[in-house]
Amino acid sequence: QSALTQPPSASGSPGQSVTISCTGTSSDVGGYYYVSWYQQHPGKAPKLMIYEINKRPSWVPDRFSGSKSGNTASLTVSSLQAEDEADYYCSSYAGSNLDWVFGGGTKLTVL
Amino acid sequence: EVQLVESGGNLAQPGRSLRLSCAASGITFDDYAMHWVRQAPGKGLEWVSGITWDSGDIGYADSVKGRFTISRDNAKNSLYLQMDSLRAEDTALYYCAKGRWFFDLWGRGTLVTVSS
Repeated sequence: QSALTQPPSASGSPGQSVTISCTGTSSDVGGYYYVSWYQQHPGKAPKLMIYEINKRPSWVPDRFSGSKSGNTASLTVSSLQAEDEADYYCSSYAGSNLDWVFGGGTKLTVL
Repeated sequence: EVQLVESGGNLAQPGRSLRLSCAASGITFDDYAMHWVRQAPGKGLEWVSGITWDSGDIGYADSVKGRFTISRDNAKNSLYLQMDSLRAEDTALYYCAKGRWFFDLWGRGTLVTVSS
């Protein structure tokens, strides 16, 4: 149950795009379809942004997209807006008995 | 209103026990798996434990295995976490979250502080 690897920080100017990576192993990210991403603003609970690699819940704008290649998943935020500034966490199913793992989190700064 | 509300967080001494509860409303509770996820002060998210809708499958993070016990009462729309042999490193905000393959509803959390 090792944490997934995310860059500690990312940044971009309003209107730009930024991509956050999430690297695991063949036992988690690479082995399952169940990769999800969560946004967390300071003092708030996490919010689901992407599930099953690239699906968006109804409350998430289409500026947010997800993808996966091998053991690395990615979250892309296009047309950056000030309200996108937050911490982002990836998560992956990691096997039997409801085993889950999170990434260490990436602080996204909108310059 | 669709919501999860955690309770039971408190200050506890090392080695002691606490029981957390999560009350669900506005959802068909027994349709969903549920989880506990924690966040130490200033740190990232850590999955703690999960349980399927019928309690048929249960999982724990290695860091809490043998010390924490998850359970649920579908008749009361409630999820629980029995935390025994608490350690300083268990200090965190504990969230309950709903979902089988992803966590699409979260509570606001309940704070557990382990200190002498």
